[in-house]
Amino acid sequence: QQQVKQSPQSLIVQKGGISIINCAYENTAFDYFPWYQQFPGKGPALLIAIRPDVSEKKEGRFTISFNKSAKQFSLHIMDSQPGDSATYFCAASRDTGFQKLVFGTGTRLLVSP
Amino acid sequence: EAGVTQFPSHSVIEKGQTVTLRCDPISGHDNLYWYRRVMGKEIKFLLHFVKESKQDESGMPNNRFLAERTGGTYSTLKVQPAELEDSGVYFCASSQLISPKTSGKNYEQYFGPGTRLTVT
Repeated sequence: QQQVKQSPQSLIVQKGGISIINCAYENTAFDYFPWYQQFPGKGPALLIAIRPDVSEKKEGRFTISFNKSAKQFSLHIMDSQPGDSATYFCAASRDTGFQKLVFGTGTRLLVSP
Repeated sequence: EAGVTQFPSHSVIEKGQTVTLRCDPISGHDNLYWYRRVMGKEIKFLLHFVKESKQDESGMPNNRFLAERTGGTYSTLKVQPAELEDSGVYFCASSQLISPKTSGKNYEQYFGPGTRLTVT
């Protein structure tokens, strides 16, 4: 049983376009929702995270939108660049002292020049 | 500051053999996590150490997997005997321990580059 469902599996976007990746979760006890970015040969690195007390968080070209009632959250990458080409993972956890992350299956993003 | 390091980067073993993966967390990070990603699937939690103590090992697949963190520094994950389904990328992550003086929010987990295990 997958607790965090992520789509699409892969995504091709033209340079300058908007990349959108969606995630849905089931466990209403989750209250911390990070997005990780992974480049080939590297481990996942925290990109941006949101807690359910806000519906949106923006950091530069990256924005998380959060819909608590629908149990969904999404990552928007504005003005996508070839350097953004990577695998993106959404995750969820309880926001307690011990952060047991539950990940989505990942989205391979390719930004074409 | 050095990041999380893992060794080896890649291991190819035959079914039935033993493999030991090592993780060196960021210095001063008391939380250490192991995760695994089977090809094309999600990254799954295996277990969590706080210093040298196992806090949560609910994600360990079976008793062929043994994790240790002697002295609360580096950690090892041994698979014995390895099976075909153990193939995947094993990630280690570390984070600071929450201080009672903080708001109780989590500290970021820093991931290592992973060990790609192939069992043939």
